Amino acid sequence: GNSVTQMEGPVTLSEEAFLTINCTYTATGYPSLFWYVQYPGEGLQLLLKATKADDKGSNKGFEATYRKETTSFHLEKGSVQVSDSAVYFCALSDLRNGNQFYFGTGTSLTVIP
Amino acid sequence: DSGVTQTPKHLITATGQRVTLRCSPRSGDLSVYWYQQSLDQGLQFLIQYYNGEERAKGNILERFSAQQFPDLHSELNLSSLELGDSALYFCASSTGTSGTDTQYFGPGTRLTVL
Repeated sequence: GNSVTQMEGPVTLSEEAFLTINCTYTATGYPSLFWYVQYPGEGLQLLLKATKADDKGSNKGFEATYRKETTSFHLEKGSVQVSDSAVYFCALSDLRNGNQFYFGTGTSLTVIP
Repeated sequence: DSGVTQTPKHLITATGQRVTLRCSPRSGDLSVYWYQQSLDQGLQFLIQYYNGEERAKGNILERFSAQQFPDLHSELNLSSLELGDSALYFCASSTGTSGTDTQYFGPGTRLTVL
């Protein structure tokens, strides 16, 4: 079946630190992979996506590369800001089932000045 | 602003009652998805509609049902409510059902069952 595993949080970093949030997946077929971000009191917003192996998604300084050989899609940012404090969700889509999304449990990030 | 609207924003009701949550997708999007977010279960896919027809079903209880209307808005009906149904319910929409389609999420409806 399909599943997504994210690193446990919460994660606390100082401003300008390097961020990595690990995400690995299990899927039948070739899913697309996504990172969503949820700010307090809001819905999920797409951060970036990759639709095939070796694709790199990037947005707002965040990057993630679709690694088929390690079934991973780790999120990275070189220098975090206080405004990056949020919950980050890794997800995969299952085209065989109406594009149903499978989400990880979410990783809470707090960036302190 | 994702362009997806959900009403109401908050809903407080009692056990055994029935409620209806409403979602309007982004203009032009044909697919609507419903998700439940709770502390213990995380974000769970419930059901998807595409252009008025049910397309995929996830972990949706038999007490829950949904539909998508000709104007493409969708309603999620929750009946015989239990304390454990208290959660955030999100609606999302996408243009189609391609695996590469981005899903755009609404702000959610927070349901509290007392």
